[in-house]
Amino acid sequence: QVQLQESGPRLVKPSETLSLTCTVSSAPISSFYWNWIRQPPGKGLEWIGYIYYSGRTDYNPSLKSRVAMSVDTSKNQVSLKLNSVTAADTAVYYCARDSGSSSSLDYWGQGTLVTVSS
Amino acid sequence: DIQMTQSPSSLSASVGDRVTITCRASQTINSYLNWYQQKPGKAPKLLIYATSSLQRGVPSRFSGSGSGTDFTLTISSLQPEDFAAYYCQQTYSSPQTFGQGTKLEIK
Repeated sequence: QVQLQESGPRLVKPSETLSLTCTVSSAPISSFYWNWIRQPPGKGLEWIGYIYYSGRTDYNPSLKSRVAMSVDTSKNQVSLKLNSVTAADTAVYYCARDSGSSSSLDYWGQGTLVTVSS
Repeated sequence: DIQMTQSPSSLSASVGDRVTITCRASQTINSYLNWYQQKPGKAPKLLIYATSSLQRGVPSRFSGSGSGTDFTLTISSLQPEDFAAYYCQQTYSSPQTFGQGTKLEIK
């Protein structure tokens, strides 16, 4: 069973950088697209972007200037960095796998709430 | 960006009811339409991909249909565990976008 687990600081100060890691178990990073999605408390889902195992990325234009994703195949991890955060970036952040063949998100992490506050 | 509009935003129904949720795209997305179920405090779960394909392990009471810009998710006979939020998602063009969600509540 494929498992994804997000980790990283739960509290980030305004103007600083949010950093999260998604560790993938029971499946290789290779040959899949790894997505980040966020959900502000009580609101809907927003796609942040994806990184392919080769390192190719696609980011949501609304966040593109502040987002960077990376992949570490040796550790079976993908990472998200979002800089210059504000309170509007407070959300549950999910990583999720897209197999590519079905263009859908078939495995998700449990999500981690990141709060931006001083 | 392609806007996805779900209706209704909320819905009250009873166990055993047949329920339909609609998702409309602001432009054609062919069949690149997925449906997810989300329960409180949990990650979304893929139900339907590519408009009408049932994700493995998902009960057959869930079905999807549509094409172009108009899509539906149908639950043929509601079960207690189906009360949750449902989201559609288009993956036809970047950025991927989700509908605003439909909250399905017990009547």
